[in-house]
Amino acid sequence: VQLVESGGGVVQPGRSLRLSCAASGFTFSNYGIHWVRQAPGKGLEWVAVISYDGSKKQYADPVKGRFTISRDNSKNTLYLQMNSLRADDTAVYYCVKDRQVVVTFFDYWGQGTLVTVSS
Amino acid sequence: DIQMTQSPSSLSASVGDRVTITCRASQTISNYLNWYQQKPGKAPKLLIYAASSLQSGVPSRFSGSGSGADFTLTITSLQPEDFAIYYCQQSYSFPPTFGQGTKVEMK
Repeated sequence: VQLVESGGGVVQPGRSLRLSCAASGFTFSNYGIHWVRQAPGKGLEWVAVISYDGSKKQYADPVKGRFTISRDNSKNTLYLQMNSLRADDTAVYYCVKDRQVVVTFFDYWGQGTLVTVSS
Repeated sequence: DIQMTQSPSSLSASVGDRVTITCRASQTISNYLNWYQQKPGKAPKLLIYAASSLQSGVPSRFSGSGSGADFTLTITSLQPEDFAIYYCQQSYSFPPTFGQGTKVEMK
């Protein structure tokens, strides 16, 4: 299983950025995929999830209305469109596969991509 | 949202020590509790799911216990590669939430 994020970088407040996550080594279209972020020196914060077929999406309150998660199962790729970025969105963004065995857990994580929001 | 509180926030230990980290949920979450290990500059790694099930490939010195609102991660004999930050996470309800982390440092 491999999850490889890309698209991070330095962006000014109020601007947009799109992250991608290329998946391989498993049947991508069978699993829900999440974005989890980690601000520098801080803990882990869940951001968003999309169901295996893209029909259901949920967001954390701090990003609701600004971020959009999507997926293209034909390309085995997950996306996160981030609009109206703020300084407190600065973080490493991880693409995370989930699995359900009675409970849901995060069994594989990408290496992360750093987003820095700064003027 | 369900709040997850870990204790201690940090601890110092030596190789061979038994280490215990606790995690308390702000409401009952049955066994919907997972543990992760994160080393500097790396992504988190799943250790334990459903409170006590060991993820494939994780050494048996790691174990988890608990149910309801109180949970424990135990490392029976700390190894050099175990110095890291450990996070608990609940998957009982949305949004999934993490504890603040417990840093295990070398004494």
